[in-house]
Amino acid sequence: GESVGLHLPTLSVQEGDNSIINCAYSNSASDYFIWYKQESGKGPQFIIDIRSNMDKRQGQRVTVLLNKTVKHLSLQIAATQPGDSAVYFCAEKVRGSQGNLIFGKGTKLSVKP
Amino acid sequence: DTAVSQTPKYLVTQMGNDKSIKCEQNLGHDTMYWYKQDSKKFLKIMFSYNNKELIINETVPNRFSPKSPDKAHLNLHINSLELGDSAVYFCASSHDLRTSGFTDTQYFGPGTRLTVL
Repeated sequence: GESVGLHLPTLSVQEGDNSIINCAYSNSASDYFIWYKQESGKGPQFIIDIRSNMDKRQGQRVTVLLNKTVKHLSLQIAATQPGDSAVYFCAEKVRGSQGNLIFGKGTKLSVKP
Repeated sequence: DTAVSQTPKYLVTQMGNDKSIKCEQNLGHDTMYWYKQDSKKFLKIMFSYNNKELIINETVPNRFSPKSPDKAHLNLHINSLELGDSAVYFCASSHDLRTSGFTDTQYFGPGTRLTVL
């Protein structure tokens, strides 16, 4: 069954503010996590990933934090822009599985100008 | 453009019909996937093929039959369409996880919105 979920289904932020999107997972055997961004009418687009042997990874304006103790994943977007408006999914891969990604429900991020 | 492409983008059909969705990737990937996204945006894997070999089949009704003529294509054929099949179907691809390491990004196509009337 589903083992990845999100705390907040919708998030509304002001342009320029930082956004934090959270995700909880329940499978302690998951060893790889990905954040995807899905804009309206498009397919999911890779944002950033992190392996379970790390607790933080930074990209351009995005940071992913992994807390294995509480099985929590977050995506931080700095200086949120209108183009960041989309649905964000976390996904996990269970160790030993054959590339099967388990997706969370998604959080819709709306950026107000 | 290098990408994962799907055709058609929209598909409207009557219940009971048989339809196909095509997927092609020119990324040189070995593994291709089909996902179904329901009206609540929940994404779930249906199938995975690696070099034309079925790897994952996630309790999908046997009305759904993936076909991979070569490693760059993975088509989805659906028989006897039902109302509940209405969804957006995404194709994705990645390098072979068994040779590239345990992690590799999956790249998604633009989706095919299937509406069964």
